[in-house]
Amino acid sequence: GAVVSQHPSRVICKSGTSVKIECRSLDFQATTMFWYRQFPKKSLMLMATSNEGSKATYEQGVEKDKFLINHASLTLSTLTVTSAHPEDSSFYICSARPILGEETQYFGPGTRLLVL
Amino acid sequence: QKEVEQNSGPLSVPEGAIASLNCTYSDRVSQSFFWYRQYSGKSPELIMSIYSNGDKEDGRFTAQLNKASQYVSLLIRDSQPSDSATYLCAVSTSGTYKYIFGTGTRLKVLA
Repeated sequence: GAVVSQHPSRVICKSGTSVKIECRSLDFQATTMFWYRQFPKKSLMLMATSNEGSKATYEQGVEKDKFLINHASLTLSTLTVTSAHPEDSSFYICSARPILGEETQYFGPGTRLLVL
Repeated sequence: QKEVEQNSGPLSVPEGAIASLNCTYSDRVSQSFFWYRQYSGKSPELIMSIYSNGDKEDGRFTAQLNKASQYVSLLIRDSQPSDSATYLCAVSTSGTYKYIFGTGTRLKVLA
């Protein structure tokens, strides 16, 4: 149980294009999903908290117009990296918190983004 | 600023030994504590959660929490080479649901 999927697992794009990453909770409903990015040999950095049906809450220093988050249902959140640049290349990981008050976050497998 | 600290390692232990991983946190109102394992190039996977003072055991893993000392640890008994990974400590304050992660401790189990 508590499986989270991400798609795509890997994407290579040209500078200036937009990339959409999907995060799905497969066997549970998630009121809250989180988006992280991770640079090599570094820990996870929380980018934003996404609640179903409301606007995402972004962490300090994260550009909300650059990283668009939509949480349209209790099982799906999307992150769109707009006008991607090489410095956006990173490992993007989502997590989901089950709806029943549990505080545990279950992580997706991550999406590796490379912007050329 | 709320912080979670871990020794970055690497912590090297021989196969079959006990590996002890430590984590301290600064926010006294923290209530939920988690250990995740992350293999290189992969995302974190949950090992254990702990909410109350004391020990919690699950197979070869034991989490220990001491809220007075603001300290949480993870013991891995009978360490195996497959346990070689980075272990992340995460702390959550009730109501926010957000984690604060430590920088992780890299564990190497030597065959």
